[in-house]
Amino acid sequence: EAGVAQSPRYKIIEKRQSVAFWCNPISGHATLYWYQQILGQGPKLLIQFQNNGVVDDSQLPKDRFSAERLKGVDSTLKIQPAKLEDSAVYLCASSLQGMNTEAFFGQGTRLTVV
Amino acid sequence: SQKIEQNSEALNIQEGKTATLTCNYTNYSPAYLQWYRQDPGRGPVFLLLIRENEKEKRKERLKVTFDTTLKQSLFHITASQPADSATYLCALDPNAGNMLTFGGGTRLMVKP
Repeated sequence: EAGVAQSPRYKIIEKRQSVAFWCNPISGHATLYWYQQILGQGPKLLIQFQNNGVVDDSQLPKDRFSAERLKGVDSTLKIQPAKLEDSAVYLCASSLQGMNTEAFFGQGTRLTVV
Repeated sequence: SQKIEQNSEALNIQEGKTATLTCNYTNYSPAYLQWYRQDPGRGPVFLLLIRENEKEKRKERLKVTFDTTLKQSLFHITASQPADSATYLCALDPNAGNMLTFGGGTRLMVKP
């Protein structure tokens, strides 16, 4: 079965510019996550969707980050304007609905803000 | 405050030995805990899940224990191989809503 697809794979932007990441989860997975992983740290949950509704976005810096999941399938994460500290790998993951289910991750998008 | 702590120092072991990685948590009461493997430049890959009522779980050369009294999980790799070299992450769901919160990970290096 196809895995979680993310694009682009790499992105370099200047601070104060905007950037968008795209994620296509595994077919049939109702839950979609966006994580931020700074080098040397574990993934930090930014936002979790259940179908096209937001379950948790408590750690999403809403003044500059936004995310949407239209039609409960694909999702985009946007940063506007970017700061130097946003340099990280942005991971998308999906899982079946319910507890005790494993998450499947994409390869991530490595963002460098200069 | 809530914390998930893994040893941030790399663990270096000799091929064939058993690797033991630790995950400690505070101010959580998770219903289950998961372990993932992450290779450089890749996303984490699920390895094992253990529920709060399970003391131990095994899968091939992997073994996970879960002590809710100590608030600790141990992850063991027996007969370790250089191919086991990677970063290992523990994750738990703080609110039983499948919101996975990860520890910082421990890098394992298995030397031939």
